[in-house]
Amino acid sequence: QQQVKQSPQSLIVQKGGIPIINCAYENTAFDYFPWYQQFPGKGPALLIAIRPDVSEKKEGRFTISFNKSAKQFSLHIMDSQPGDSATYFCAASHSFGNEKLTFGTGTRLTIIP
Amino acid sequence: DVKVTQSSRYLVKRTGEKVFLECVQDMDHENMFWYRQDPGLGLRLIYFSYDVKMKEKGDIPEGYSVSREKKERFSLILESASTNQTSMYLCASRPDRGGKLFFGSGTQLSVL
Repeated sequence: QQQVKQSPQSLIVQKGGIPIINCAYENTAFDYFPWYQQFPGKGPALLIAIRPDVSEKKEGRFTISFNKSAKQFSLHIMDSQPGDSATYFCAASHSFGNEKLTFGTGTRLTIIP
Repeated sequence: DVKVTQSSRYLVKRTGEKVFLECVQDMDHENMFWYRQDPGLGLRLIYFSYDVKMKEKGDIPEGYSVSREKKERFSLILESASTNQTSMYLCASRPDRGGKLFFGSGTQLSVL
C-alpha cells in the first residue's frame, strides 16, 4: 500500500524555469514532510522539510508548499540550474521522533541549459 | 560531517548464496535503517533498528534479516539470495531525536 504518491516520474525543464514536483499522502497522522535529493552514485540527502503548522517553507531556491486539507505538498525550485539535475524524493512520517519515513517513488529531474 | 559507510559499492552473487551487506556510521546514532531502491518504486524500508540488538520489520522484510551487535554497525543479511533481490541497497542512520536521515552511497547488488 503506497502511502505517499509522487508525480511526475520524470521532468525536463529549461534552465531558469521552475520545476514543480507534487506529493499526496493518505495518512492524516503524518506530521513531518521532508524532501531528499539524490545525485547519481550517491545516497539521498535531506534538502528541505516542513511540518503542517506552516503552509510554506523556503530555503534558498527551494520552496515547499503544503496544503493540509488536500493532503498534498510540493517542491518548487526557483531559477533552476543544470546542477539541480537529480532524483528528488518526498517522504512523510508520523512524528519528528522515531517513526519511520515513508518515501514517494521519486522524480528524475533534468535541467537543460 | 556524519559518515555512513557501506562496505561494498558493487556486489555480484549467485542465486542461493548467503549475502552480507555491512554498514557503519561514525556519529553514535541510535537509529539505523536498510532501504532498497528500485526504479519506479522509490525507497522501500526493509528493516530498522532503534538501538543495539533491537530490530523491527519495515515494509518488505521477506527474505532478509538484520544484525546489530554494536551501535555503529548494522548488517543486512540475505539468507538465500534470489534474482528478485537484485537492487540498490541503501543504509541510513539518524539520531534518536529524529529528523534528518544520513544515507550511505549504496551497494548495487546483482544476483545471477
